[in-house]
Amino acid sequence: SQTIHQWPATLVQPVGSPLSLECTVEGTSNPNLYWYRQAAGRGLQLLFYSVGIGQISSEVPQNLSASRPQDRQFILSSKKLLLSDSGFYLCAWSLLAGAYHEQFFGPGTRLTVL
Amino acid sequence: AQSVTQLDSHVSVSEGTPVLLRCNYSSSYSPSLFWYVQHPNKGLQLLLKYTSAATLVKGINGFEAEFKKSETSFHLTKPSAHMSDAAEYFCVVIPDSSYKLIFGSGTRLLVRP
Repeated sequence: SQTIHQWPATLVQPVGSPLSLECTVEGTSNPNLYWYRQAAGRGLQLLFYSVGIGQISSEVPQNLSASRPQDRQFILSSKKLLLSDSGFYLCAWSLLAGAYHEQFFGPGTRLTVL
Repeated sequence: AQSVTQLDSHVSVSEGTPVLLRCNYSSSYSPSLFWYVQHPNKGLQLLLKYTSAATLVKGINGFEAEFKKSETSFHLTKPSAHMSDAAEYFCVVIPDSSYKLIFGSGTRLLVRP
């Protein structure tokens, strides 16, 4: 069966510090991978989408970036965090994109920027 | 453009009573619809999905949803609420040939003892 891992589970960082969040998927090959952010009391915002190694699509221009160095590894980064980067970050995967292909979510990382 | 509307931001029920969480969709063709649940500080878990095979879809934990094209609805129900059902529920549509999920605004379910 497939599993998705995220770490760290929680993170407190000062403004201006760098960020690296990691997501890995087990039990499947060549998944589509996604990064979402969920602000307090709000829905999910798609940040990045990847269909393969080195292939990243950005949905929202911001100071975050994503990389996919390996087939089942997806990394979310920032060089300098802003207060507005606080939130709950979720990684997800799917076998294919489009109708009927649900996405499966990881446990999330709670980021607090102070 | 496709969209989903969750009609209630909060629903409160007593333990053991039925649950109804409402979702209406807007789509120009037969949509792909899902319900996800999110417990506090947890990721989203897929409850069930509609893929046009059957209009009544059964999911995990006793939940089910009925697709009604004439009403453009996909309401989530459960005959008897359990305390562990307290969570936020999202109705989601995936447009054809798209990677982008369209989320409803969510319904927070409170279960009273």
